[in-house]
Amino acid sequence: GQQLNQSPQSMFIQEGEDVSMNCTSSSIFNTWLWYKQDPGEGPVLLIALYKAGELTSNGRLTAQFGITRKDSFLNISASIPSDVGIYFCAGRGNAGGTSYGKLTFGQGTILTVHP
Amino acid sequence: DGGITQSPKYLFRKEGQNVTLSCEQNLNHDAMYWYRQDPGQGLRLIYYSQIVNDFQKGDIAEGYSVSREKKESFPLTVTSAQKNPTAFYLCASSIPDTIGYTFGSGTRLTVV
Repeated sequence: GQQLNQSPQSMFIQEGEDVSMNCTSSSIFNTWLWYKQDPGEGPVLLIALYKAGELTSNGRLTAQFGITRKDSFLNISASIPSDVGIYFCAGRGNAGGTSYGKLTFGQGTILTVHP
Repeated sequence: DGGITQSPKYLFRKEGQNVTLSCEQNLNHDAMYWYRQDPGQGLRLIYYSQIVNDFQKGDIAEGYSVSREKKESFPLTVTSAQKNPTAFYLCASSIPDTIGYTFGSGTRLTVV
C-alpha cells in the first residue's frame, strides 16, 4: 500500500529558530495536507496543497507540493513555544477504487521548542 | 457549532473486558474513521466507513469492531481479543474528495 516517509522524527530547537520537515512517498498524491497535534488532542489541519509546485503560506507556516507529486515540505519560521506538538503530513491519492478519499499519514515529526 | 465529539476523554478498564468508545459528528460527513496512536507514534487506521451500514478494515483491525447504523455515529468496540489495547484513539470524519479530515479530541484508553 501507499506509504509516507516523514523526517525528521523529532526536533529540538530554540525559540526563534526556523524549522523544516518533509514527507516523501513512493506513490503520486493529488493532495498534500499538513496537520498539527497538540498534546492530548486531535490533529488540526494547518495547510492544504492541491497542485504540483504549489507554495502556500499560513502565517509563519509555509508548505510546498513537490513537482513530482511525491513529496512535500513544511517550514515554520521564527518558532515560538506554542509550536510544540506533533506535525503530520498526509496525502490523498487518485479518485476511484477502495481507497478513494482516504488519507495516508506520515509517522509524524515531534517538535520541541526551548524558550 | 458543528464538530466531532469523542467520549469519554479518559477510560479505564480491566483486562479482558470489552469497551466501546463513542464518536458522534454533526458535520453531515459521509465518511468516518478510527485511528490508534501509541506514544510518540503516528496514526494507524483501525476501521473506516464511507457510508451508513458499510465499513472496511484498516491496517490494524484485529481485536476491534465497529458499527455504522447512523450517519452521525461510528462507535468502536475494543474487544478482549486486542492484545495491547492501551492507547490514544482518534475518530475523524470527512466528505470524500474534500479538504481533509476533521478529528475529534481523542479518547485515552488504559487497560489495567
